[in-house]
Amino acid sequence: DVKVTQSSRYLVKRTGEKVFLECVQDMDHENMFWYRQDPGLGLRLIYFSYDVKMKEKGDIPEGYSVSREKKERFSLILESASTNQTSMYLCASSPMGLAYNEQFFGPGTRLTVL
Amino acid sequence: TQLLEQSPQFLSIQEGENLTVYCNSSSVFSSLQWYRQEPGEGPVLLVTVVTGGEVKKLKRLTFQFGDARKDSSLHITAAQPGDTGLYLCAGAPLFGNEKLTFGTGTRLTIIP
Repeated sequence: DVKVTQSSRYLVKRTGEKVFLECVQDMDHENMFWYRQDPGLGLRLIYFSYDVKMKEKGDIPEGYSVSREKKERFSLILESASTNQTSMYLCASSPMGLAYNEQFFGPGTRLTVL
Repeated sequence: TQLLEQSPQFLSIQEGENLTVYCNSSSVFSSLQWYRQEPGEGPVLLVTVVTGGEVKKLKRLTFQFGDARKDSSLHITAAQPGDTGLYLCAGAPLFGNEKLTFGTGTRLTIIP
């Protein structure tokens, strides 16, 4: 059974803290994605990685950075958390190749910044 | 930036009724996917439509891709409580990268 796991389901942090969200996939997928999900806005892409150490900005990268040192692991970093980064964060992976390859999602991390 | 607008944003209907959810854009996509997300879980792919005008059926769910590949619809016949969830459409670009553009979502509640 294919799986994408995220390090935490719920997280509460203070403004200004550095926050790490971890994502691991066991499908040997080349592509990995970080999205944030807000009501009425759907999923918005923060960053995308198509290979180890390779990354590409998505639609809303400001305030975030990412790290991909190993193929199976993709980390999202909030350098200095702010209240407007309170959201649901979803990680996904997909195989290289076709744009419409299925994306497999983790269960999400609900982050609250106080 | 390509945008996908879904309507309605919220829909609450009785079990057994039929419904249609729409996904519209001014941009052309090479293909379109529909995902369903249940509370506490990530989205799960239901279907991918690739050809303009294509219709795909998944039991009581019927998906259609517009002829111009700018829009799509999801029709559910005789809705069941198990259909409750957030429905998301996602478009793949005509050229280049492997990033999807996700729609704004439709939250569907089926009342027993």
